[in-house]
Amino acid sequence: EAGVTQSPRYAVLQEGQAVSFWCDPISGHDTLYWYQQPRDQGPQLLVYFRDEAVIDNSQLPSDRFSAVRPKGTNSTLKIQSAKQGDTATYLCASRDWSETLYFGSGTRLTVL
Amino acid sequence: QQKVQQSPESLTVSEGAMASLNCTFSDGTSDNFRWYRQHSGKGLEVLVSIFSDGEKEEGRFTAHLNRASLHVSLHIREPQPSDSAVYLCAMSMGNMGYKLTFGTGTSLLVDP
Repeated sequence: EAGVTQSPRYAVLQEGQAVSFWCDPISGHDTLYWYQQPRDQGPQLLVYFRDEAVIDNSQLPSDRFSAVRPKGTNSTLKIQSAKQGDTATYLCASRDWSETLYFGSGTRLTVL
Repeated sequence: QQKVQQSPESLTVSEGAMASLNCTFSDGTSDNFRWYRQHSGKGLEVLVSIFSDGEKEEGRFTAHLNRASLHVSLHIREPQPSDSAVYLCAMSMGNMGYKLTFGTGTSLLVDP
């Protein structure tokens, strides 16, 4: 069974540029999560979906971040105007009926 | 919001010696506890999940949970150099969509 797939693996931007991250969850997993992991810190939840619906986006900086999962499968996280403080690894995870989240390898973002 | 602290921040052990990692949390509202491992540049791999006080073993990994003490620990028996990684404890409430709150991580180095 394929795991959670994320792309790109790395992104380097100047402040003010936009970037999108893509996630393909494990087939059949209805719940998808995006986490932000600053260097040397634990991951922090940004947003999560059940199917195509956003269940909780309370930690998503809504002025610059957006996330969609239009068909309840793949998901895209976008940063409209990146800041240096957005430098982090962005992790996607998915879950089916069980309680276990399965994580992708992440996208490592550096904002210069 | 649940706060999670891990100790020690870093740990070096010799191959074959027991490694013990600790995690304390701020309140007793969580009911799902997990230990994840993260090799450098990789995603998170779940090691052991524990849902009630006591002990849960998965291979060489044993978790101990004491909710009254707000403490969960991980013991790694006969660690190997390939176990060198960052270890993260995480917890969630089942009725809150299994949103994981992570600790800050312990960096483990196993010397051959």
